Amino acid sequence: AQSVTQLGSHVSVSEGALVLLRCNYSSSVPPYLFWYVQYPNQGLQLLLKYTSAATLVKGINGFEAEFKKSETSFHLTKPSAHMSDAAEYFCAVSGGGGNKLTFGTGTQLKVEL
Amino acid sequence: KAGVTQTPRYLIKTRGQQVTLSCSPISGHRSVSWYQQTPGQGLQFLFEYFSETQRNKGNFPGRFSGRQFSNSRSEMNVSTLELGDSALYLCASSLQGGKDTQYFGPGTRLTVL
Repeated sequence: AQSVTQLGSHVSVSEGALVLLRCNYSSSVPPYLFWYVQYPNQGLQLLLKYTSAATLVKGINGFEAEFKKSETSFHLTKPSAHMSDAAEYFCAVSGGGGNKLTFGTGTQLKVEL
Repeated sequence: KAGVTQTPRYLIKTRGQQVTLSCSPISGHRSVSWYQQTPGQGLQFLFEYFSETQRNKGNFPGRFSGRQFSNSRSEMNVSTLELGDSALYLCASSLQGGKDTQYFGPGTRLTVL
């Protein structure tokens, strides 16, 4: 079985500051890990995906995430926050042969001037 | 390529009624998955269809059902609606399922009164 824990349901940063959103996973098989972003009244947009090809994954809009097996973590970072980054971010895991995504509870990112 | 489309975008029903939601996947995608998103339970997997067959199912009562057509379009049905069924229902498509990336539609917002 897979599970994901996102630490911090709300994160607030200043514009231009580092964004760090935390995700820890549990998986009995080598996982595929994802970060999705959701803007108000919209569906989920894929930011990036880890597939074991490289531990540092670069995504869209300047986001990246590093897979650390020893820490079972897949934290999302962006060097400089922009107002347009304000949204809810979800970490998800799939594995075990199925297509099912198991999501974390989400982190609401607020970007302040 | 056009993205995943879902109709209708908004729906209001009363308890006891039934509802059918529709999802058109990205062209060429054969796997369609459905998720329910609520403030209390977060994002939860409902089921996955591939080649007109249900391949995976989440922990939802039998009132929730779905089907897939030969053109990969999918519908989900909820019978005997309850207040707790109020949610955003998201459809996602992928090429073959498995660990292929899932691309999400904008969702259908269902309100049960």
